[in-house]
Amino acid sequence: DVKVTQSSRYLVKRTGEKVFLECVQDMDHENMFWYRQDPGLGLRLIYFSYDVKMKEKGDIPEGYSVSREKKERFSLILESASTNQTSMYLCAAGVGPGANVLTFGAGSRLTVL
Amino acid sequence: AQSVTQLGSHVSVSEGALVLLRCNYSSSVPPYLFWYVQYPNQGLQLLLKYTTGATLVKGINGFEAEFKKSETSFHLTKPSAHMSDAAEYFCAASWTSGSRLTFGEGTQLTVNP
Repeated sequence: DVKVTQSSRYLVKRTGEKVFLECVQDMDHENMFWYRQDPGLGLRLIYFSYDVKMKEKGDIPEGYSVSREKKERFSLILESASTNQTSMYLCAAGVGPGANVLTFGAGSRLTVL
Repeated sequence: AQSVTQLGSHVSVSEGALVLLRCNYSSSVPPYLFWYVQYPNQGLQLLLKYTTGATLVKGINGFEAEFKKSETSFHLTKPSAHMSDAAEYFCAASWTSGSRLTFGEGTQLTVNP
């Protein structure tokens, strides 16, 4: 089974800080995703990537950027954290096309003070 | 825009009772459909998926879902709830290749003894 590891389970940052959320998958999956999870809103797609050095905006990219320098690693960057970015962030990896099954990491809960 | 709607953010059942979690999608083009489960402090796990073929799909832990094109629905059921089923359940759909999923808002299932 594909394993997706998110380096930080819990982070507390201050407004204006730069935040890096790291995600690593241990299989050769092309597709990687960052979602944000908030109560009552489900999961919303921030960014995704189908290949190294490639990125696509999801539904809520504002305030975020991503980096994919190696196939197994997909990083989410908050250039200047704000309190409304306090949330659970979930990374996922998957193989397409067709099956569309994602394997998720355990999540990173970010609190911005 | 294509979307997924889960009716009922909270569902409470007694142990041994039928579980019914509702999911509808908003498109005349049938997507690939998924149910994921999230246990406390964990990432999402795939319960079951519908791609093509048989419209009644069986998943893990005794869950099943039926794709009804005429109703644009993909409701999740389990004949007899167990305490260990308490979790948050997410319905998701994909209209494209490459694993991009659109999630519903989530339904928190509580199982009472």
